[in-house]
Amino acid sequence: EVQLVESGGGLVQPGGSLRLSCAASGFTFDNYDMHWVRQPTGSGLEWVSGIGAAGDTYYAGSVKGRFTISRENAKNSLTLQMNGLRVEDTALYYCAKWEARRGWDHWGRGTLVTVSS
Amino acid sequence: QSVLTQPPSASGTPGQRVTISCSGSNSNVGGNFVYWYQQLPGTAPTLLIYRDDQRPSGVPDRFSGSKSGTLASLTISGLRPEDEAYYYCVPWDDSLRGWLFGGGTKLTVL
Repeated sequence: EVQLVESGGGLVQPGGSLRLSCAASGFTFDNYDMHWVRQPTGSGLEWVSGIGAAGDTYYAGSVKGRFTISRENAKNSLTLQMNGLRVEDTALYYCAKWEARRGWDHWGRGTLVTVSS
Repeated sequence: QSVLTQPPSASGTPGQRVTISCSGSNSNVGGNFVYWYQQLPGTAPTLLIYRDDQRPSGVPDRFSGSKSGTLASLTISGLRPEDEAYYYCVPWDDSLRGWLFGGGTKLTVL
């Protein structure tokens, strides 16, 4: 069974940093692209960042230059390093597995990031 | 404000058919596959339709997707109370070079 478990969320002041992690199991992690998608409370979904199986990375314009996505295949782990956090980054952050044909076919439960002074 | 336009709400009674639209442009809906996700209250999204009109195993055939030009649509036939949820369309956008979610449609089953 595919499982994605996010961690690392919390309360941080504007300008601060936070490192999110996603522990993956139940599939061959190396073979799949992985993504982060976020959702502010009471609002819609927003794609944040993705990393290919080969390590290529891509970012939404709103986070480019501030967030860094990475993966450690040996540990089946996905990471999102978030620097220069802004109030508008406050959201529930989901980790999602990308299947080449079907899209995001598995999602975690999310970890909550709150940016506030 | 999203450049993909979905109606903020839709409704129907049990048994009815409801269609949710997703209007975009040639750089997204018109030129790339569209995916649809269902989000039940308090849960993570789940895949409903991929590559415009393909249904994953386990998704009832009451759900169908279609696309014409820059307009994608999700149709739910034989509406059930458990279909009450938010629905999101998402294509790749060539101009933004990223994935673009529609604003979401809240479906209410009356």
